[in-house]
Amino acid sequence: GAVVSQHPSRVICKSGTSVKIECRSLDFQATTMFWYRQFPKQSLMLMATSNEGSKATYEQGVEKDKFLINHASLTLSTLTVTSAHPEDSSFYICSARDLSQSKAGAFNSYNEQFFGPGTRLTVL
Amino acid sequence: AQKVTQAQTEISVVEKEDVTLDCVYETRDTTYYLFWYKQPPSGELVFLIRRNSFDEQNEISGRYSWNFQKSTSSFNFTITASQVVDSAVYFCALTQRSNDYKLSFGAGTTVTVRA
Repeated sequence: GAVVSQHPSRVICKSGTSVKIECRSLDFQATTMFWYRQFPKQSLMLMATSNEGSKATYEQGVEKDKFLINHASLTLSTLTVTSAHPEDSSFYICSARDLSQSKAGAFNSYNEQFFGPGTRLTVL
Repeated sequence: AQKVTQAQTEISVVEKEDVTLDCVYETRDTTYYLFWYKQPPSGELVFLIRRNSFDEQNEISGRYSWNFQKSTSSFNFTITASQVVDSAVYFCALTQRSNDYKLSFGAGTTVTVRA
């Protein structure tokens, strides 16, 4: 259980175009999804947190107009990299968690983050 | 604030050697959770273990073992009798209630196991 998929797994695009990456929870409802970016030989950096039906919360330094996040359903969140440039080339990873049955303030299996396989974006 | 430090950038060993990965963390919360993830060349993160701050028992799972010491804020990971398939980047991570259980990752340690 708790499978998260991402599509596409790899994308190459020209500079100036927009790219959409999908993150889906396949066997659970994800009230919250996270988007991470990982540059080569670096760690995962949290970009934003998206909650179903509300606006995403972006981490400091992440341009919200550049990285559009939509979490319209309990199983799907999308990240759109607008007007992509070579410096946006990176490995993008999403994760999902289901808080719908969690106790307030407690950490249980419903707070666990389940990671997608990642999307490798190359902007030429 | 929460912070995870993995001081070892790269470790190279010969097959069958043991390798220990260090992880030191900082947090002001009394309740927190520590994780280890493996990231093979394919890129997909593989969950290895989660440990909460109230459970300091060491854990062993096959060739993997973990040593959690709150006194030194460390959560070290040992691979016994390493194999080539263990070659990957390993990340230590921390999550806590005061940060809405967002994960903070360490910089990662690249382990290369040579045949």
